[in-house]
Amino acid sequence: NAGVTQTPKFQVLKTGQSMTLQCAQDMNHEYMSWYRQDPGMGLRLIHYSVGAGITDQGEVPNGYNVSRSTTEDFPLRLLSAAPSQTSVYFCASKGTSSNQPQHFGDGTRLSIL
Amino acid sequence: AQSVTQLGSHVSVSEGALVLLRCNYSSSVPPYLFWYVQYPNQGLQLLLKYTSAATLVKGINGFEAEFKKSETSFHLTKPSAHMSDAAEYFCAVSATGFQKLVFGTGTRLLVSP
Repeated sequence: NAGVTQTPKFQVLKTGQSMTLQCAQDMNHEYMSWYRQDPGMGLRLIHYSVGAGITDQGEVPNGYNVSRSTTEDFPLRLLSAAPSQTSVYFCASKGTSSNQPQHFGDGTRLSIL
Repeated sequence: AQSVTQLGSHVSVSEGALVLLRCNYSSSVPPYLFWYVQYPNQGLQLLLKYTSAATLVKGINGFEAEFKKSETSFHLTKPSAHMSDAAEYFCAVSATGFQKLVFGTGTRLLVSP
């Protein structure tokens, strides 16, 4: 059981470049989320989705786009990378029952030069 | 709105000593509360959760936490620290179950021999 798979694990970009961080889950979970983790700030919610075709903004959505065309996939797009987006990005998913926990991927470490 | 405050960005203990990691929350509705652990270069793993059932919650790896509404606290404890407990610990709150988690800034636990 793969759980939540994030690719790539590491990436270096130049300012202004675009990129898509991939997230896939094989647990048939309806809820999926993207967080960014920065030193001393914990994890902050970027965007989330409650099902295919439905997305919404979290706490820090600026500079990021998402879409949810399938239950399994929830890609995060940086349209024009900025140094402030240097961070570790985590994708998470959970089922619809309130007793089910969020399952996290291992993260993507992104550096913007 | 929900928020979490974790007191102490670093906590150092000796192997075999009591572990106490502090978490205070703010929530406009009865909260769901969680503790997650993050080992180096990995995603977050759920330690335990409070969902309005028993106020003393037992989790994995010998950790437990007590929900105290009067103190708005959800401190994490373990009677005897092991070297393998060295990691970063995050407290999180949600008003809607596990969706849209709000994380604290994290506490790094250091365990010395």
